[in-house]
Amino acid sequence: SYVLTQPPSVSEAPGQTARITCGGNNIGSKSVHWYQQKPGQAPVLVVYDDSDRPSGIPERFSGSNSGNTATLTISRVEAGDEADYYCQVWDSSSDHRVFGGGTKLTVL
Amino acid sequence: EVQLVESGGGLVQPGGSLRLSCAASKFTFTTYWMSWVRQAPGKGLEWVANIKQDGSEKYYVDSVKGRFTVSRDNAKNSLYLQMNSLRAEDTAVYYCARDADSGSYFFDYWGQGTLVTVSS
Repeated sequence: SYVLTQPPSVSEAPGQTARITCGGNNIGSKSVHWYQQKPGQAPVLVVYDDSDRPSGIPERFSGSNSGNTATLTISRVEAGDEADYYCQVWDSSSDHRVFGGGTKLTVL
Repeated sequence: EVQLVESGGGLVQPGGSLRLSCAASKFTFTTYWMSWVRQAPGKGLEWVANIKQDGSEKYYVDSVKGRFTVSRDNAKNSLYLQMNSLRAEDTAVYYCARDADSGSYFFDYWGQGTLVTVSS
């Protein structure tokens, strides 16, 4: 089955840019989606189809995808962005949705 | 705003059964695929199962095949997950999620989840 690899943690100071990666074999050929999950809450979609944002998600959240790595970029990081972030794709070979292991973003 | 409300979680012994429900509202339930996603305590998200709009297609993660059954009642705007032969490793918060109306297969709305604990 298809495997997505995320770093367990990323730290960044307020006002800086945080980048969270999601690695997978030729992931650039797939559509990648990103979710934010704060403690005790359900996940929230923040980026879909590599780089599109749902309504209500700040422009500070952006995404890119090429080769074997997809990246979620959070500009001008705020304390309220501290959360776990998960990437997700659809594995066409199994018709399964697959999540990465998640990355905890800490705002210093 | 779309609403998804799960219920039916609780404490169950290993080998036991449980049926989860998800009540959907404020959208046309019959036009969406629906999924169950779970999260073990302190762990990441894991997609469990999904079901087509008319119930004619269902898919499961390998670890629950043969033990879990996803179903829906479109007349009641409800999604279900029948869980049999439960194991300790099935302990998790179970989320009901709507599959986006897109060819890209992602979840655009989630419920708040219901906790299932498998323990003796």
